[in-house]
Amino acid sequence: DQQVKQNSPSLSVQEGRISILNCDYTNSMFDYFLWYKKYPAEGPTFLISISSIKDKNEDGRFTVFLNKSAKHLSLHIVPSQPGDSAVYFCAAIVYNVGNMLTFGGGTRLMVKP
Amino acid sequence: NAGVMQNPRHLVRRRGQEARLRCSPMKGHSHVYWYRQLPEEGLKFMVYLQKENIIDESGMPKERFSAEFPKEGPSILRIQQVVRGDSAAYFCASSLGEGLQPQHFGDGTRLSIL
Repeated sequence: DQQVKQNSPSLSVQEGRISILNCDYTNSMFDYFLWYKKYPAEGPTFLISISSIKDKNEDGRFTVFLNKSAKHLSLHIVPSQPGDSAVYFCAAIVYNVGNMLTFGGGTRLMVKP
Repeated sequence: NAGVMQNPRHLVRRRGQEARLRCSPMKGHSHVYWYRQLPEEGLKFMVYLQKENIIDESGMPKERFSAEFPKEGPSILRIQQVVRGDSAAYFCASSLGEGLQPQHFGDGTRLSIL
């Protein structure tokens, strides 16, 4: 039972262009969503989050969009840089029902110079 | 380095041995979480602890696995009588409080079972 899905295992983008990473979820109880970036042999690094009461949150080059009716969120990175090449995980949490993060399977982003 | 510290980074055990993984949370954080990542998969929640209390262990296998977060010292994830299927990366995270607080992760312990 995969409650958070990232259907694209990999994505390749040219430097300077936009990267769009997608995430779908099935549990309508999720009320907080996070994106993490992970380099090989390192732990996930928190990037950006969004509460379910919002539909957009922006932080520098990173913007997260949430479409609750479609149970879909996306992470936009613009402009993409070679250093953005990593695996990106979306995660979700149900506030007040434990604190566990439910992760998607990840999308490997490759930004080509 | 004020981040989440995990040790060892790599641990090799033979089948039947015990594995002990340690995690020191970020300074000021009192909430600790353990996750496991199998190859080519996302992270799966195992257990959530506060000082001296297990809050949620719904992701822990019922046998051989245990976790603690004592009043003093790091959180420990203990795996008894390890089997090949326990080979994975084990990540610890900590947060300042409950709810809408980002969890910050350590670099993990890579457990290999021979």
